[in-house]
Amino acid sequence: KAGVTQTPRYLIKTRGQQVTLSCSPISGHRSVSWYQQTPGQGLQFLFEYFSETQRNKGNFPGRFSGRQFSNSRSEMNVSTLELGDSALYLCASSLSGRAVYEQYFGPGTRLTVT
Amino acid sequence: GDSVTQMEGPVTLSEEAFLTINCTYTATGYPSLFWYVQYPGEGLQLLLKATKADDKGSNKGFEATYRKETTSFHLEKGSVQVSDSAVYFCALSFTQGGSEKLVFGKGTKLTVNP
Repeated sequence: KAGVTQTPRYLIKTRGQQVTLSCSPISGHRSVSWYQQTPGQGLQFLFEYFSETQRNKGNFPGRFSGRQFSNSRSEMNVSTLELGDSALYLCASSLSGRAVYEQYFGPGTRLTVT
Repeated sequence: GDSVTQMEGPVTLSEEAFLTINCTYTATGYPSLFWYVQYPGEGLQLLLKATKADDKGSNKGFEATYRKETTSFHLEKGSVQVSDSAVYFCALSFTQGGSEKLVFGKGTKLTVNP
């Protein structure tokens, strides 16, 4: 069974640009969660999607948004990039999202904002 | 809000040494507790979990006991190997909007030398 895949793996953007990251969950998983990992703040929850609906949201500004498609693939978008958005963005998928121990993480997308 | 504090790293040990990584938590309810491991270039993997007080989670020689009286969940391994070199995250879960979410500590980088 294929694991969670994230594309691209590495990305360099300029301040003010926008970026879209993609996450393909494990087949059959309907919940996708996104996390931001930085050296200073550690791992922080961004949002969770289940059956194309945002079910939970962390404490991030509106520049961070996401969506989920009917095949459960998810994208997250960051508009008007700031230097502080440089981070590793991880997504995790699970069958229902109801139990975190069911979550499987992808390898992440490393975003660098210059 | 709920939070996790784990010992700062980095931690450097020789092969076969004893490992302890301290983790304490603050939570309003009765969270489940987790240890995740992140190997270089990879996403997070669930290492072990405990869902109630006095539970002991164990996997791959690692152990951690859920101590409600000291609000702790310290990770231990009796004899580390070079292959254990990774970043270790302590985390707790809480339920919001019908699904569980994770709050992570900042991570402890472990390097094991031969």
